[in-house]
Amino acid sequence: SQKIEQNSEALNIQEGKTATLTCNYTNYSPAYLQWYRQDPGRGPVFLLLIRENEKEKRKERLKVTFDTTLKQSLFHITASQPADSATYLCALGRGDDKIIFGKGTRLHILP
Amino acid sequence: GAVVSQHPSRVICKSGTSVKIECRSLDFQATTMFWYRQFPKKSLMLMATSNEGSKATYEQGVEKDKFLINHASLTLSTLTVTSAHPEDSSFYICSAPGQGRGETQYFGPGTRLLVL
Repeated sequence: SQKIEQNSEALNIQEGKTATLTCNYTNYSPAYLQWYRQDPGRGPVFLLLIRENEKEKRKERLKVTFDTTLKQSLFHITASQPADSATYLCALGRGDDKIIFGKGTRLHILP
Repeated sequence: GAVVSQHPSRVICKSGTSVKIECRSLDFQATTMFWYRQFPKKSLMLMATSNEGSKATYEQGVEKDKFLINHASLTLSTLTVTSAHPEDSSFYICSAPGQGRGETQYFGPGTRLLVL
């Protein structure tokens, strides 16, 4: 069955450093991959989408890479700030609107 | 960006009662909406796809008679948890795809259900 793994359940990063989160998947051929941010008690908020034919996407301090050979995406936050502390979810989709989520990584940016 | 609202944000009910949760797209139309549930420190699990004007599509293992979905208009979908039990206590979240290709999902703020 299809599986999405976000390697770290929790990650502590010093303020100002780059945070890198990993998403791996198996038994699935996504047309696109997304990253969401979720704060406690809130719904997820869309951050970035990257398609299967794209290697890298950037948005301000965020960068996403997508390697369909390795079946992996990396999500980077540069110059991290305490306000970046949240749970980050990886999600995969195939174009029928339905997407499946990983369990998320809780990121703590330490001041 | 597009806004999705949910009501209520929190609800506490007694075991055996039914609870209705509303999901609204505020500034766009949504022929499709999705219902998820999320347990603490767990991922979002898709429960069902709500389709305007037709029956909802349920994911494997989700009881359609227990989780009734009605998509009465292009901006409103409702999820009714019937005969709720303590194990139904969870965080319920809806989403609607954005315009265009519909790949981006806009999520509601979620509804925390506690069944006593």
